[in-house]
Amino acid sequence: QVQLQESGPGLVKPSETLSLTCTVSGGSISNYYWSWVRQPPGKGLEWIGYIYYSGSTNYNPSLKSRVTISVDTSKNQFSLKLISVTAADTAVYYCTRGGGTLDSWGQGTLVTVSS
Amino acid sequence: EIVLTQSPATLSLSPGERATLSCRASQSVSSYLAWYQQKPGQAPRLLIYDASNRATGIPARFSGSGSGTDFTLTISSLEPEDFAVYYCQHRSNSPRTFGQGTKLEIK
Repeated sequence: QVQLQESGPGLVKPSETLSLTCTVSGGSISNYYWSWVRQPPGKGLEWIGYIYYSGSTNYNPSLKSRVTISVDTSKNQFSLKLISVTAADTAVYYCTRGGGTLDSWGQGTLVTVSS
Repeated sequence: EIVLTQSPATLSLSPGERATLSCRASQSVSSYLAWYQQKPGQAPRLLIYDASNRATGIPARFSGSGSGTDFTLTISSLEPEDFAVYYCQHRSNSPRTFGQGTKLEIK
């Protein structure tokens, strides 16, 4: 059973860069797509983008100018960077397996954007 | 961008009753629709993929139907642990989008 675990700072200042890493255990990152999804407090889910293990990516146009998703197969990890954050980026960030159907999810990590 | 509209926003039922949740797409998504369950403080869990296929370990009381623009998630007989928020999501094109959710609460 694959497990995913998000890690990274829980507090980021406005205009700075949000950086999160997802560590995949219990299975290989190879041959799968991997996504990031976020959920502002008390609100619904928003797909951020996905990466294939080979490195090809697809981003939500609403975030495309600010988002980079990368993968490190040697560490069985993939990462999210979101630049120029504002309070609107405050959310629980989930890493998931899949590029369409999301069949495994990390527990999520709350990132608050505040000075 | 495909907009998914879920109804009702809130559904109040009792254990043992049948629940019917709806998801309507602004354009056809073929059968590329999934349903997720989310309990407070937890990550979403995949229930149904490609409109009607139960994910691994999902009880048979959960079923999905539909194609094109109209989809339904049915819970045949509600168990206490089924009261949660349910989201639909498509993978027909990019960007993937989610519905706004239906909260299933105990009556």
